[in-house]
Amino acid sequence: AQSVAQPEDQVNVAEGNPLTVKCTYSVSGNPYLFWYVQYPNRGLQFLLKYITGDNLVKGSYGFEAEFNKSQTSFHLKKPSALVSDSALYFCAVRDMNRDDKIIFGKGTRLHILP
Amino acid sequence: KAGVTQTPRYLIKTRGQQVTLSCSPISGHRSVSWYQQTPGQGLQFLFEYFSETQRNKGNFPGRFSGRQFSNSRSEMNVSTLELGDSALYLCASSFLAGGPNEQFFGPGTRLTVL
Repeated sequence: AQSVAQPEDQVNVAEGNPLTVKCTYSVSGNPYLFWYVQYPNRGLQFLLKYITGDNLVKGSYGFEAEFNKSQTSFHLKKPSALVSDSALYFCAVRDMNRDDKIIFGKGTRLHILP
Repeated sequence: KAGVTQTPRYLIKTRGQQVTLSCSPISGHRSVSWYQQTPGQGLQFLFEYFSETQRNKGNFPGRFSGRQFSNSRSEMNVSTLELGDSALYLCASSFLAGGPNEQFFGPGTRLTVL
């Protein structure tokens, strides 16, 4: 069965520093991977996705994510954090070969400290 | 283009009652998915509809049901409400179902069961 793990419930980063939000996954086939963000009192918004090809995926708001097949990871990164990046981040996976339902991680709350 | 809309935004019900939530997808989107979001469990998949057919279903009891209409609008129903059903219910739409298609989320319906 497919699964996704976000090992950190919360990540604190000083403004201007690089940030990483971790995600690992498990699927029987090849994965489609997604990152979504939920700002306070707003719905989830799509950030980026990995389908195939280049392991470094660029998305909205300066975020990027690196697909690592050997480590089954898809960590979200940003070179310089902004206070406005403070939000709840969700990683999600869907098994490409089975076209099964999408599975979301439990979320990581990102706090950017001014 | 209008986003995903959900009605009502807030609901207060008592145990044993039933409730119906509505979701209107982005125009042209034929896939609608429903999720339950709680602080402890994160985002849990309820079901996914495409062209009026249920494609996938999560691990929820039969009290949770849904349907999709010919105009792609969707409803979900929860019967015999329990305290544990209190949650934010999110609807998401996508142009096609499954695969690498990202989802667009509505603002959610906040259900409180007393």
